[in-house]
Amino acid sequence: QVQLVQSGPEVKKPGSSVKVSCKTSGGTLNTYAISWVRQAPGQGLEWMGGIIPLFGATYYAQKFQGAVTITTDESTNTASMELSSLRPDDTAVYYCTRSYSGLKTHFDLWGSGTVVTVSS
Amino acid sequence: QSALTQPASVSGSPGQSITITCTGTSRDVGGYDSVSWYQHLPGEAPKVMIYEVTNRPSGVSNRFSGSKSGNTASLTISGLQAEDEADYYCASYTRFSTVLFGGGTKVTVL
Repeated sequence: QVQLVQSGPEVKKPGSSVKVSCKTSGGTLNTYAISWVRQAPGQGLEWMGGIIPLFGATYYAQKFQGAVTITTDESTNTASMELSSLRPDDTAVYYCTRSYSGLKTHFDLWGSGTVVTVSS
Repeated sequence: QSALTQPASVSGSPGQSITITCTGTSRDVGGYDSVSWYQHLPGEAPKVMIYEVTNRPSGVSNRFSGSKSGNTASLTISGLQAEDEADYYCASYTRFSTVLFGGGTKVTVL
């Protein structure tokens, strides 16, 4: 059974960066798009960006352009999301999720989420 | 881009039907049949309930159905049950090659 296994919780200082990973267990990355979605405390789901490994193409929500970098390492079937210049309001649960054949399809598998806390 | 518009809360008694709306624009909801709906319970990962406007994944109850008219998509839950109490989010592909979520709707079973 395919799973998306995310890295553990992080506590970061404002102004620093965080990198969250998402390993595809039992499957391969290249037939799917991987997106990153976050949920801040008391807020809704927010799509940050996605990557289509087959084409090497990345797409970012306008809000996160320049602040987020999404990459994949096909040798380890791992996708990563790096968020820079962290602020306290970046405190959230960060999920990776996959969609078959690009971003037009739905998210059918989700990681369990990684809690990122930004605090001085 | 602003989030798609959903009502903050919807409630109903067991056995009733409720409908959650999701309003966007011609650049997202109205322009593509790429609307999906997710159920999100506290502490769990979201779960897809409807995809491509009307399709239900294997294993999802047929009490859940989806539709779309113009720039507004809808999720209907029939025969409401206590286990349906959760937050529900719509999502749509957009003309900017991005994905937009709705603000979320809290469903309460009275």
